[in-house]
Amino acid sequence: DAGVIQSPRHEVTEMGQEVTLRCKPISGHNSLFWYRQTMMRGLELLIYFNNNVPIDDSGMPEDRFSAKMPNASFSTLKIQPSEPRDSAVYFCASSLSGGNQPQHFGDGTRLSIL
Amino acid sequence: SQKIEQNSEALNIQEGKTATLTCNYTNYSPAYLQWYRQDPGRGPVFLLLIRENEKEKRKERLKVTFDTTLKQSLFHITASQPADSATYLCALGGSGGYQKVTFGTGTKLQVIP
Repeated sequence: DAGVIQSPRHEVTEMGQEVTLRCKPISGHNSLFWYRQTMMRGLELLIYFNNNVPIDDSGMPEDRFSAKMPNASFSTLKIQPSEPRDSAVYFCASSLSGGNQPQHFGDGTRLSIL
Repeated sequence: SQKIEQNSEALNIQEGKTATLTCNYTNYSPAYLQWYRQDPGRGPVFLLLIRENEKEKRKERLKVTFDTTLKQSLFHITASQPADSATYLCALGGSGGYQKVTFGTGTKLQVIP
């Protein structure tokens, strides 16, 4: 079975540019999560969706970040304009609905903002 | 504020020994706790879940304990192998259907042949 698919795997861009990260969750999973991982702060939840609806976006750093889930098989995380401090690895994860369900992660997008 | 602590220093252990990793938390009453493994350049992979009313959970060479009085979980790998070398993350979750979990920063385990 295909796991969570993220693209691109690597992105290098200049400060001020728009960045769009993409995620395809596992088919049948109702919940989708976006995380950011850095050495200093570890793995931080940015936003999570259930049945395509944003449930908790309290981790979104600021208005420069936005996330959408137009359907059950696709989600995007957009940063506009990007800044060097946004450099990190961004992970998408999906799971079945309900508490304590394990999350299945993609292999992440390594983002570098110059 | 909620705080989850895992040993930030790497744990080096000889092959064949038991590795024990610690996850401590404060200002939190989790309904369950999960452990994940992360290899370099990869996303975390789920290993085990233990609920607040469970003391211990086992899966093959893995064992997890959960002490809500001490606010601590221990993760054991018995008969450790070099292939067990990775970073291990604990994650705490709340009650009800709310699915947000909070991750610790992880402990890097190195199993030496």
